[in-house]
Amino acid sequence: VIWMTQSPSLLSASTGDRLTISCRMSQGISSYLAWYQQKPGKAPELLIYAASTLQSGVPSRFSGSGSGTDFTLTISCLQSEDFATYYCQQYYSFPRTFGQGTKVEIK
Amino acid sequence: EVQLVESGGGLVQPGGSLRLSCAASGFTFSSYAMSWVRQAPGKGLEWVSAISGSGVSTYYADSVKGRFTISRDNSKNTLHLQMNSLRAEDTAVYYCAKDSPNGDYVDYWGQGTLVTVSS
Repeated sequence: VIWMTQSPSLLSASTGDRLTISCRMSQGISSYLAWYQQKPGKAPELLIYAASTLQSGVPSRFSGSGSGTDFTLTISCLQSEDFATYYCQQYYSFPRTFGQGTKVEIK
Repeated sequence: EVQLVESGGGLVQPGGSLRLSCAASGFTFSSYAMSWVRQAPGKGLEWVSAISGSGVSTYYADSVKGRFTISRDNSKNTLHLQMNSLRAEDTAVYYCAKDSPNGDYVDYWGQGTLVTVSS
């Protein structure tokens, strides 16, 4: 099983801020990493796959980077609709695993 | 437009069984692997199971292996999750999910169905 450490678990921020969320793997996964956004009471939505490829329709203020064991999700200029919880997921091997989640709240 | 609609959730006693279904539309169902992902109340996402497009290959999380069975009916564009020997810790919203073309990440999610295991 590939274990994932996502940090921080909670992020307090203001509109316009630049945010970085980290995801670290217990072993290398090349670029087999996705990022999801989930708003309260809603299903998650895909933001990024292959570590850095933006899903169609996702705003360009979202970006992903990294490979191997260390990955980052960056939101360059936080908007009101970005307050949500973010999860990373590895798909290098089964069982698939998710990070613990990062809740982005209004400061 | 991809649509995934789950059904079959509800209240069940510990040790009981439940069968979830997911009706898929808007894509060629048999060409895509499918998954189930769950989320306990107030908790994070947990991958549960996946099945290849043909149904030949199946995969499970250790937490459900031997108790849950994933299956699909490609003639009816339907995904199933048979859950047996249910425990309180299986209480969660269960999401049906469509996998990407290579069967890697999830690119579409259903709205979820709540399963509550309690006496």
